[in-house]
Amino acid sequence: QVVLTQSPSASASLGASVKLTCTLSSGHSSYAIAWHQQQPEKGPRYLMKINSDGSHSKGDGIPDRFSGSSSGAERYLTISSLQSEDEADYYCQTWGTGLWVFGGGTKLTVL
Amino acid sequence: QVQLVESGGGVVQPGRSLRLSCAASGFLFSSYAMHWVRQAPGKGLEWVAVISYDGRNKYYTESLKGRFTISRDNSKNTLFLQMNSLRTEDTAVYYCARVEITLLWDDAFDIWGPGTMVTVSS
Repeated sequence: QVVLTQSPSASASLGASVKLTCTLSSGHSSYAIAWHQQQPEKGPRYLMKINSDGSHSKGDGIPDRFSGSSSGAERYLTISSLQSEDEADYYCQTWGTGLWVFGGGTKLTVL
Repeated sequence: QVQLVESGGGVVQPGRSLRLSCAASGFLFSSYAMHWVRQAPGKGLEWVAVISYDGRNKYYTESLKGRFTISRDNSKNTLFLQMNSLRTEDTAVYYCARVEITLLWDDAFDIWGPGTMVTVSS
């Protein structure tokens, strides 16, 4: 059973960059993941999918400030030039045969 | 415009039933697998169920098997979630979501609805 681990919180200053991490459990380092953003009181929004080789594809309309990468069992979401509207919860998601799993989410605070 | 809109939520007593709907528009609904995901107040996202593009195959999270049923009507571009024997712990916002790649069901969710709130309380 795959498990996704995320830090509960992160913070960074307006205009700075931040890198969020999603860690796949042991034995599942080849899995692709997706990142979703959830702003306060809104439904989730798909950001991108990241493969184990680091290649990624973004959802429609996602700004270039959002990028993804991968290293081993870790999948990253980097947000540059932080804006106030980036303050949100960020969830990673993965999938396999008969299972669909979310990480616990990271609450990003823009200072 | 690609869009999903859930409806059918509300306040219901424990033990009762509720049927949620998800209306799809702007894409060929019959080519995409669809999922239900829920979020309890102040908590994270929890996957609930999936249905294949043709409705033939379904999977449920283990804890909900037997109480919840996912279905779809491709002629009406609508996804459903029938929830029976509701419990207070089923209180959550329920989202429908589309799988990014046509015909597959194990891939990223690329379109989400705004959600519908279900409150189970006496």
